[in-house]
Amino acid sequence: GQQVMQIPQYQHVQEGEDFTTYCNSSTTLSNIQWYKQRPGGHPVFLIQLVKSGEVKKQKRLTFQFGEAKKNSSLHITATQTTDVGTYFCAGPGSGAGSYQLTFGKGTKLSVIP
Amino acid sequence: NAGVTQTPKFQVLKTGQSMTLQCAQDMNHNSMYWYRQDPGMGLRLIYYSASEGTTDKGEVPNGYNVSRLNKREFSLRLESAAPSQTSVYFCASSIRTNQPQHFGDGTRLSIL
Repeated sequence: GQQVMQIPQYQHVQEGEDFTTYCNSSTTLSNIQWYKQRPGGHPVFLIQLVKSGEVKKQKRLTFQFGEAKKNSSLHITATQTTDVGTYFCAGPGSGAGSYQLTFGKGTKLSVIP
Repeated sequence: NAGVTQTPKFQVLKTGQSMTLQCAQDMNHNSMYWYRQDPGMGLRLIYYSASEGTTDKGEVPNGYNVSRLNKREFSLRLESAAPSQTSVYFCASSIRTNQPQHFGDGTRLSIL
């Protein structure tokens, strides 16, 4: 079945440093979605990318979708303590699983003030 | 606008007991989902309902049953709880499958 892998699993940064998490799928994706989960909270949808090579920005967050639509990245510029949480990517399955989203295991971001 | 509402928020069960987790959404979404989240395992899909009247198994359906009661409500039932089902359970909904999902606050379930 489809696999969605994220690296790194954990990242500790000093406040003000940049942060990047990477997402790789074993299959081509029709879209990729990013979610953020604060400690003790629930996943919250951030953004959806659909087009090959697409780049979208939300303030200090930059999201990219690879040309082959099999990988994606989330980059945070000048991290703040409010960025703490786990970031998940998710992509639609293929074949029999095409109605489901497959989530990566997430990258847990800690920001040291 | 409540979004996705889950009840209860916390529950402790003994092995062998049964219970139903409730989920309701007020966004007129067609698709609903149940996930479990365990440390280091990310979100794993238990069951989903692509539209009212349909349900399908996800990645980890064993030990669970679901009911799509109507367009708004999707319940998850544990018939005979086991310690391995200790987890945080999230319900989610989306306008249709493969579209962005809105999650409830979760149910923290412990089985002793």
